[in-house]
Amino acid sequence: GAGVSQSPSNKVTEKGKDVELRCDPISGHTALYWYRQSLGQGLEFLIYFQGNSAPDKSGLPSDRFSAERTGGSVSTLTIQRTQQEDSAVYLCASSLEGATGELFFGEGSRLTVL
Amino acid sequence: AQTVTQSQPEMSVQEAETVTLSCTYDTSESDYYLFWYKQPPSRQMILVIRQEAYKQQNATENRFSVNFQKAAKSFSLKISDSQLGDAAMYFCAYRRLMDSSYKLIFGSGTRLLVRP
Repeated sequence: GAGVSQSPSNKVTEKGKDVELRCDPISGHTALYWYRQSLGQGLEFLIYFQGNSAPDKSGLPSDRFSAERTGGSVSTLTIQRTQQEDSAVYLCASSLEGATGELFFGEGSRLTVL
Repeated sequence: AQTVTQSQPEMSVQEAETVTLSCTYDTSESDYYLFWYKQPPSRQMILVIRQEAYKQQNATENRFSVNFQKAAKSFSLKISDSQLGDAAMYFCAYRRLMDSSYKLIFGSGTRLLVRP
């Protein structure tokens, strides 16, 4: 596609429910990143995919968070048993491989946990 | 661990004037990249400018330029001839070249207001 696409744009859920957030990266981009942006804060790294594998999961805050990527393309971030502190904007970015690869971001999914 | 600090939560500038946003970072490495990203209300992060640490020359992109002071670990962004469309959150970011993921480490951001 022309850019990184994320869905849903907004999600309101009740505490304890599971949620799935989807990211469709730019075609041909092998690297994919998930970040979390809490209100008024900077971006917090969650996980990095190279192809379908995730060599860096160091930012996942707890075992309630997981992510997968299939076909070297679409990625899904799953949050189980959501808590109010999970409320944030979840941003996805993709890039060509390498240190010079510019990150292209989607518009994010705003998650609100009531 | 590398950290990025933006000490100005909010800045204000008059349209057509110049404003400088500050950023400092902490690293023990000699090779890395630094970035400034803009985040408008649409939430989509947009790359403004990039600087390679091994380059002494400061990067420029049209009205945007940086003042990179490697020894001081400072990387400020200057916006000249400010326009209403420049109003946004601005994030400074660091990329460690020895990191296999090449992930960006972001500062907490500076909100830029542009007065007409």
